[in-house]
Amino acid sequence: QQQVKQSPQSLIVQKGGISIINCAYENTAFDYFPWYQQFPGKGPALLIAIRPDVSEKKEGRFTISFNKSAKQFSLHIMDSQPGDSATYFCAVGGNTGKLIFGQGTTLQVKP
Amino acid sequence: DAGVIQSPRHEVTEMGQEVTLRCKPISGHNSLFWYRQTMMRGLELLIYFNNNVPIDDSGMPEDRFSAKMPNASFSTLKIQPSEPRDSAVYFCASSPQGTGNTIYFGEGSWLTVV
Repeated sequence: QQQVKQSPQSLIVQKGGISIINCAYENTAFDYFPWYQQFPGKGPALLIAIRPDVSEKKEGRFTISFNKSAKQFSLHIMDSQPGDSATYFCAVGGNTGKLIFGQGTTLQVKP
Repeated sequence: DAGVIQSPRHEVTEMGQEVTLRCKPISGHNSLFWYRQTMMRGLELLIYFNNNVPIDDSGMPEDRFSAKMPNASFSTLKIQPSEPRDSAVYFCASSPQGTGNTIYFGEGSWLTVV
């Protein structure tokens, strides 16, 4: 049973464009929703995270939008840059502290 | 501060051999996680420990896999015997205990079983 569904699998965006990646989850017990960024040959690193008590969180060019009733959240990257080219993972967490990750989205930002 | 340290970074071994992956978590972190990453299955949680105690090993593929955490600063993931389908990147990660805390990943151990 896949607890976190992420889409799209891959994404190509022109420099300056908006990149949007979506995640859907099933278990309403989850209360922590981070996005991780992974560059080739490196481990994933936290990019931005949100709790369900807010519907949006913004940090620089990165925004998480959260829809609790739909059990969905998304990552928006504004003014996408070639340096943003990486694999992005959404994740869900609960009171255990462990994270369950989505399948990942490979983003390519073309100059 | 040093991050999560994993060794070896790269390992090539023959089918049937024993493989031991090692991890040193960030000092002061109570939780330690072992993840496996493959193209087909993405990032899978294999096992995690809280305060050196295994809490959930439901992700461990089969009896060939075992993990230990003898103290707060060291953990091992062992595969015996190894098989070609075990080829993957194995990540160790740690975090302060509790929900909503950032999980910090090491750079991974790239395992190839031929």
